[in-house]
Amino acid sequence: DAKTTQPPSMDCAEGRAANLPCNHSTISGNEYVYWYRQIHSQGPQYIIHGLKNNETNEMASLIITEDRKSSTLILPHATLRDTAVYYCIVRPLWGNEKLTFGTGTRLTIIP
Amino acid sequence: GAGVSQSPRYKVAKRGQDVALRCDPISGHVSLFWYQQALGQGPEFLTYFQNEAQLDKSGLPSDRFFAERPEGSVSTLKIQRTQQEDSAVYLCASSLVGLAPFFGPGTRLTVL
Repeated sequence: DAKTTQPPSMDCAEGRAANLPCNHSTISGNEYVYWYRQIHSQGPQYIIHGLKNNETNEMASLIITEDRKSSTLILPHATLRDTAVYYCIVRPLWGNEKLTFGTGTRLTIIP
Repeated sequence: GAGVSQSPRYKVAKRGQDVALRCDPISGHVSLFWYQQALGQGPEFLTYFQNEAQLDKSGLPSDRFFAERPEGSVSTLKIQRTQQEDSAVYLCASSLVGLAPFFGPGTRLTVL
């Protein structure tokens, strides 16, 4: 079973920051938080991952709370192409490498 | 190629037929994963290889499903005696050990 909880859907205005929350209250010390997104009819696309420090790349920023029980993915300037289902996934540092997807958040960017 | 490729992209099978789905991972990627995605659902894990070794096949739904990766590169997912409930998108992903997997575009299987 997925170890994360996400809202089923969110809207965001084009050009604004999209903030997608994720709860992972049972995360253990050897588990990363990964984010993927899936645009309609495509395979999932890797966005970002982190352990306990905040991370930023060209796509997004990942903010992880100090207790590591929740995180927020931030898309700083959302565009229509960011409309997708976003998955927050907890994955161990070592051992079984599989990703366990939940139901994700369907993000719709409004023009 | 630059990414994970899968073939065919679309497959229509009559109930009871056998199908074979192919995955070409990114060159040099040791880990390879297969997922099944039903309409409107998130991807569900099927099986995982490291090189040619199948380390986890706990997600295969029945003994009609079989996956192999004989030379540690290309992988094939075979479904025998297909049923309507096998209709789904089958996704393949590959990665270097411990790093983020990259997914292919998937094969959409429709069983009539």
